[in-house]
Amino acid sequence: ETGVTQTPRHLVMGMTNKKSLKCEQHLGHNAMYWYKQSAKKPLELMFVYNFKEQTENNSVPSRFSPECPNSSHLFLHLHTLQPEDSALYLCASSPTGFSYEQYFGPGTRLTVT
Amino acid sequence: QKEVEQNSGPLSVPEGAIASLNCTYSDRGSQSFFWYRQYSGKSPELIMSIYSNGDKEDGRFTAQLNKASQYVSLLIRDSQPSDSATYLCAVTSRGTASKLTFGTGTRLQVTL
Repeated sequence: ETGVTQTPRHLVMGMTNKKSLKCEQHLGHNAMYWYKQSAKKPLELMFVYNFKEQTENNSVPSRFSPECPNSSHLFLHLHTLQPEDSALYLCASSPTGFSYEQYFGPGTRLTVT
Repeated sequence: QKEVEQNSGPLSVPEGAIASLNCTYSDRGSQSFFWYRQYSGKSPELIMSIYSNGDKEDGRFTAQLNKASQYVSLLIRDSQPSDSATYLCAVTSRGTASKLTFGTGTRLQVTL
């Protein structure tokens, strides 16, 4: 777990709040990913960054806004979320965007009230 | 049609037995295949990757790939209670090198 860290580990927010999730990888990788994991659903890819450039936006609503200031850090800014956005948000990294072996952080358990 | 299909389980095997986990995928152009293990309340952990037809062994784990049948499996020999977890199959999608598509996972229970 120490290769990819995520904060906070748990977050409860109201629908009118603004919050941010943070991910940091210590593996020297150049690609980072955000996934959403809901109960009884497959992991859903949200965003991909390769060398700080966004290369994939999987039709994610604009209330989720990613930011990648460098290859080691990735943020997910949240605003005006809906209760159905409650889920486990996972960050992953890989050596490059063309290297498929992705390593996950511990996740942030988000509850929207 | 689901892109990556797995039986949700639970698959129950006795300690010491072989657990066989299966996965089928719909995109014939898929090139890379992965197995992740996810313990309850934890994040997925990569345990095997396979890129060409045949078998790949790593310790007690063997991944098997048959691209013609669009089928990938994971065998766990000498199953231990600590192997009890959900196993996720993941496949790369055609045309997007970095995009992994996951199945919903198979829950494995190893009983004493």
